[in-house]
Amino acid sequence: QKEVEQNSGPLSVPEGAIASLNCTYSDRGSQSFFWYRQYSGKSPELIMFIYSNGDKEDGRFTAQLNKASQYVSLLIRDSQPSDSATYLCAVNTGGGSNYKLTFGKGTLLTVNP
Amino acid sequence: DAMVIQNPRYQVTQFGKPVTLSCSQTLNHNVMYWYQQKSSQAPKLLFHYYDKDFNNEADTPDNFQSRRPNTSFCFLDIRSPGLGDAAMYLCATSSWGGPFNEQYFGPGTRLTVT
Repeated sequence: QKEVEQNSGPLSVPEGAIASLNCTYSDRGSQSFFWYRQYSGKSPELIMFIYSNGDKEDGRFTAQLNKASQYVSLLIRDSQPSDSATYLCAVNTGGGSNYKLTFGKGTLLTVNP
Repeated sequence: DAMVIQNPRYQVTQFGKPVTLSCSQTLNHNVMYWYQQKSSQAPKLLFHYYDKDFNNEADTPDNFQSRRPNTSFCFLDIRSPGLGDAAMYLCATSSWGGPFNEQYFGPGTRLTVT
C-alpha cells in the first residue's frame, strides 16, 4: 500500500507569518509531487508541483523536495487569511497508462488576522 | 477559458435509485479520473481512462461504473446508491506525455443519498 502522510493539523499561524506544511511518502519510485489547496466544500486547486530535489519558488509559495528522505514540504510566506484552507499533498504512483496520484488527507491551515 | 465542468453540482438521490454524474472538459486532455472524497478524507481514486483504456482501482465497488464516449466527456454511474456513497465526486483531467502530468479538477458534484 503506497501511502502519503500529512499532519492533519489544524496548523494555526498569525497573519504575515510563514506556514510550513509537511508530507512524507512511502513509494521510492515516485517522481512527481504536487500541492493542492482545497477550500471547505470546494474542489482541490493545484498550486505547486516539483520533481527535482531542492526548492522551487512561485510567489509566496516554496515547495521543497528531498527524495532521499522521502519528504516534501510547502512553505507559505507572508500568510494571509485567504490562505486558510486544507492543503493536500499528492505523489505519483504507477507509470504509463496506469500513472495516478495518491493523496494525503491534508493539513488544515488557519491564518489568524 | 479551458476548464473541467461537472454536472450537476448537487445531486440528491434515493437509496437504491441509480444516478449518473457527468464530467466534460475543454482542455483536450487524454486522461480523465474519477475520485470520491468524504469529509476530512483524502480524495480516493475510483478509476481513470487513459484515452479509451479503462483502469479500475482494485477496491472500487462494482456498484460504480464509468463510461467515456469521447475525449471530452466522462460519466460516473452509481447503480444502487447506498447511504455510504454520499460524498463529493471529483472529476480530474491530465495530459499524459507532459513533464509532470498534473491533474486539474472540476468543481465536484456533492451527492446526497436519502
